[in-house]
Amino acid sequence: DAKTTQPPSMDCAEGRAANLPCNHSTISGNEYVYWYRQIHSQGPQYIIHGLKNNETNEMASLIITEDRKSSTLILPHATLRDTAVYYCIVRSLVSNTGNQFYFGTGTSLTVIP
Amino acid sequence: GAVVSQHPSRVICKSGTSVKIECRSLDFQATTMFWYRQFPKQSLMLMATSNEGSKATYEQGVEKDKFLINHASLTLSTLTVTSAHPEDSSFYICSARDPTGRDLSNQPQHFGDGTRLSIL
Repeated sequence: DAKTTQPPSMDCAEGRAANLPCNHSTISGNEYVYWYRQIHSQGPQYIIHGLKNNETNEMASLIITEDRKSSTLILPHATLRDTAVYYCIVRSLVSNTGNQFYFGTGTSLTVIP
Repeated sequence: GAVVSQHPSRVICKSGTSVKIECRSLDFQATTMFWYRQFPKQSLMLMATSNEGSKATYEQGVEKDKFLINHASLTLSTLTVTSAHPEDSSFYICSARDPTGRDLSNQPQHFGDGTRLSIL
């Protein structure tokens, strides 16, 4: 079962920062938060992940609250190619060989010209 | 970055046919791969966890005799949809967990581009 809650849709003006929130209030102490995005008819693309510190890479920044119950993915300068469904996932340890991901419904981000 | 290749990208076949989908990790060894299914306008649904050298672990409600998984090497997992019917038409996606240099909880999955299966 998915352990995250995201708004179903968001709009963002091209060139502006896109801030995508995610609630994961039942997250455990050793569980990472992962973000992926899926452009129509493609496989999900890895964006970023983190445990408790803020993370940044060439694609995005991840801000995790101090209590780790929520996080925000930031796309600093959204482009039309960033239009996609964004998934926030908390990794679920089902077995020692697992690392299963259970996808929620995600946020459909539309970048507007 | 890590690359996972999935083949074929699209399959159209008659009802009753068995269809095999391949998933390869191209630049890392994947002891664990995953198979998902996605229906239109829905999210990805995990079907099974494929472990190299052992039996796959299926999610509740997924028929293991219908969806045969083989993970014979560290770079290849296959999903065979046996005796496919129109209701099996879907977007099938695989992923591989990259275990290089990280503990289990700190290992991203890398996804293939999916296989669109259409059963007539």
